[in-house]
Amino acid sequence: NAGVTQTPKFRILKIGQSMTLQCTQDMNHNYMYWYRQDPGMGLKLIYYSVGAGITDKGEVPNGYNVSRSTTEDFPLRLELAAPSQTSVYFCASSYSWGRQGQPQHFGDGTRLSIL
Amino acid sequence: GESVGLHLPTLSVQEGDNSIINCAYSNSASDYFIWYKQESGKGPQFIIDIRSNMDKRQGQRVTVLLNKTVKHLSLQIAATQPGDSAVYFCAEKGPYGGLTGGGNKLTFGTGTQLKVEL
Repeated sequence: NAGVTQTPKFRILKIGQSMTLQCTQDMNHNYMYWYRQDPGMGLKLIYYSVGAGITDKGEVPNGYNVSRSTTEDFPLRLELAAPSQTSVYFCASSYSWGRQGQPQHFGDGTRLSIL
Repeated sequence: GESVGLHLPTLSVQEGDNSIINCAYSNSASDYFIWYKQESGKGPQFIIDIRSNMDKRQGQRVTVLLNKTVKHLSLQIAATQPGDSAVYFCAEKGPYGGLTGGGNKLTFGTGTQLKVEL
């Protein structure tokens, strides 16, 4: 069972560069999410999607974009990397929106440094 | 200087003892709560969840207790093992669904570091 797979695992970017963080899930989940985790802080929601073609902003969407063309994939794009975007990024998916026994499942993260 | 929130609270327990990790949540209208375990370099791993219409739920070696009166959630781990060493954090979800506003998003706590001593 692959679950949620994120690539790359690590990346160093220069200020102003762009990149796409990849996320794919094989559980046929409709709901997918992107979070960032800063040291000693709780996960913050960047964007989420409730199905193919439907996305919406979370708490901290500025500087990011997403798309959801298929059920399986939910890439996160950074257009102009800034030092404030140095963080660990987690993708998650779930069958439903907060129903007991149907939790969000997370990937192992992408560790991104902007220098 | 130090960043606020950089140092997580730590709970140290002896192997074989029971562990109790606490979490205070903020929204009295939250209707779903979940505990995650996060090992170093890994993503959060689901442990157990509970809806607000329950006050206790048990899993394998874990129990979650919900006290809505004081907005408190706890995770009990029985017979703690070295493999239980990790950061544990809770999350709550508000009652509202739908596509707009993200009002039913999970709000995550910062976590507690559990250290199991041999």
